[in-house]
Amino acid sequence: DGGITQSPKYLFRKEGQNVTLSCEQNLNHDAMYWYRQDPGQGLRLIYYSQIVNDFQKGDIAEGYSVSREKKESFPLTVTSAQKNPTAFYLCASSIRERSGELFFGEGSRLTVL
Amino acid sequence: GDSVTQMEGPVTLSEEAFLTINCTYTATGYPSLFWYVQYPGEGLQLLLKATKADDKGSNKGFEATYRKETTSFHLEKGSVQVSDSAVYFCALQGTNAGKSTFGDGTTLTVKP
Repeated sequence: DGGITQSPKYLFRKEGQNVTLSCEQNLNHDAMYWYRQDPGQGLRLIYYSQIVNDFQKGDIAEGYSVSREKKESFPLTVTSAQKNPTAFYLCASSIRERSGELFFGEGSRLTVL
Repeated sequence: GDSVTQMEGPVTLSEEAFLTINCTYTATGYPSLFWYVQYPGEGLQLLLKATKADDKGSNKGFEATYRKETTSFHLEKGSVQVSDSAVYFCALQGTNAGKSTFGDGTTLTVKP
C-alpha cells in the first residue's frame, strides 16, 4: 500500500541533544512538508520541499533543519536551538506544489525530558 | 495573509444528533477548501474538499459547501455516530506557494 511512514512514533530526548525524525513516502509525490501540532492548536508549517535538493522555510523554521536528497525521503532534525521542542510532528506530501490535498503520516511525538 | 477560523470546541453530541462545525476563511483569490479529520494518536486524513465557489464536498455522510459570499465552508452531518468522535480541521490552500493554512481544530465527542 502506498503511504507515508514516519519513525519513530515516540521519541524522548534530553535537553541539548539533536534528534532526527524520519519521513518516507512511496506515493511518488513531488512535494513534502513538516508540520508541528501543539495541543488545542492547528498545524504550523516548519519546512516544505517542492523538489529534490530544494526546500523552503515555513512559519516556524527556527531550531529545525531538513534535507531532501531523495524524492522519497524528507527527514527533520530538531536541534538544541529549538527552545520548546516537545510536540507532535506530522509529515505530509502532495502530488505537487499547490495540488491541494495533503497526505499525512501517523506522526511522531517528541518529548524533551 | 491567509487565515482559517473554526468554531471553538469541544463539541459533545448524542448519537444521531445533527452536527455543524463552522469554518470561515480569509484569503486572496480563489482558494481550495478542505476538511481533514484526525483520530486519536494518528495523522490527519482528508474528509472532503471543494475547489471553487458553490461546490459541495461530501464523504461518509459529511457535507460542506464553498460559500464565497460569506467566505465559509461549514461542515455538516445529519446523524452522527460514536465512531465520528475525532478532531476536525478546516484548511485552505490559497495562492501562497506550497502552503496550506489550518484552523485550530474542533474536537467532537459523540456519546451513545
